Amino acid sequence: DTEVTQTPKHLVMGMTNKKSLKCEQHMGHRAMYWYKQKAKKPPELMFVYSYEKLSINESVPSRFSPECPNSSLLNLHLHALQPEDSALYLCASSQEPGLNYGYTFGSGTRLTVV
Amino acid sequence: AQSVTQPDIHITVSEGASLELRCNYSYGATPYLFWYVQSPGQGLQLLLKYFSGDTLVQGIKGFEAEFKRSQSSFNLRKPSVHWSDAAEYFCAVGAQAGTALIFGKGTTLSVSS
Repeated sequence: DTEVTQTPKHLVMGMTNKKSLKCEQHMGHRAMYWYKQKAKKPPELMFVYSYEKLSINESVPSRFSPECPNSSLLNLHLHALQPEDSALYLCASSQEPGLNYGYTFGSGTRLTVV
Repeated sequence: AQSVTQPDIHITVSEGASLELRCNYSYGATPYLFWYVQSPGQGLQLLLKYFSGDTLVQGIKGFEAEFKRSQSSFNLRKPSVHWSDAAEYFCAVGAQAGTALIFGKGTTLSVSS
């Protein structure tokens, strides 16, 4: 298995809703990442997990809450989002923390906040 | 801090013609350099990467890139473009001791028949 799987592929949520995005990989990768990508823009780093511990938080608002329950799974919990949070949320993983191996990206979850 | 610039926002190439996408980086030492491709609504696929060694790097789908330290460039090339190559292309840079990739703004490639 050489994939990063993200679910759901599409999500529409109201500003008072609570939802979660899921990311799964079974490649034995020890680092996982959340990126946010607005339309026609490059991906922007949100969070980095290394060996299941949060190592980087790029000053992301607290309405986004990451969780890494085990080495294969990464969640992003969403609460009280704003319409401007609508974007493609990409998950990635790498064999080890750092850039030696490059990242494997999932197909993303397209989130619309109404 | 490292940064990456892709000077061309949109490029149109005829099918079968050659392609070169430009990427310039700013970093004090030798960076880690990557090219990714993204089809509409999809995630990013790694085309190739450069860390050290041979400055001409071969990637998937017939792409190659050349690292030129004197020009701070890492341009992506393909000798003959196929219609399926139409997509968004991102150059990315990272520090050797770092963790996170910094992406350029991307170049949209259109392929005309």
